[in-house]
Amino acid sequence: AQSVTQPDIHITVSEGASLELRCNYSYGATPYLFWYVQSPGQGLQLLLKYFSGDTLVQGIKGFEAEFKRSQSSFNLRKPSVHWSDAAEYFCAVGARGFGNEKLTFGTGTRLTIIP
Amino acid sequence: DAMVIQNPRYQVTQFGKPVTLSCSQTLNHNVMYWYQQKSSQAPKLLFHYYDKDFNNEADTPDNFQSRRPNTSFCFLDIRSPGLGDAAMYLCATSRGRLNTEAFFGQGTRLTVV
Repeated sequence: AQSVTQPDIHITVSEGASLELRCNYSYGATPYLFWYVQSPGQGLQLLLKYFSGDTLVQGIKGFEAEFKRSQSSFNLRKPSVHWSDAAEYFCAVGARGFGNEKLTFGTGTRLTIIP
Repeated sequence: DAMVIQNPRYQVTQFGKPVTLSCSQTLNHNVMYWYQQKSSQAPKLLFHYYDKDFNNEADTPDNFQSRRPNTSFCFLDIRSPGLGDAAMYLCATSRGRLNTEAFFGQGTRLTVV
């Protein structure tokens, strides 16, 4: 069975600083990988996804993520965070050949931005 | 412009009193999902519909039911809510079955008193 680990429960970053959120997955083959963001009291919004091809994926809001097969990682990065980036971030892994019913979410990383 | 709309945003219900949460979509997507998200936890899939084909997760309690009368609407019925059912309930849709992007509604926060 697939699984996702987000080792950082809570991260605090100064506005304008760079950000990296960690995600490690367990899956027997090349997975589908996603990052979702959830603002307080809101649903989830897709930031970016990796299915195949270029391992560096660009997303919305200036985010990017890099798939590293050797490390089973899919870390999310942003060069300069804005106060509006404060939210909960979820990494998710999907099984090839299946739909979102096989999507497994990590437990999330809460991002706080300080002035 | 909202594409997946959940009503109400906040619902307070009494212990044991049936409650229905609703979800509508303007995307004409085939697949609709219901997730339960408890505080500081990952969303947990309860069930999903592929068109009219209902798929229940093995560990979803019998207390939770769902209806999808047409493509646009999907309902979550909790027959006898317990205190442990207090959570955010998220509806999502996707165009097809094969790992396409899921579009989420804003959720309904359910409180059980």
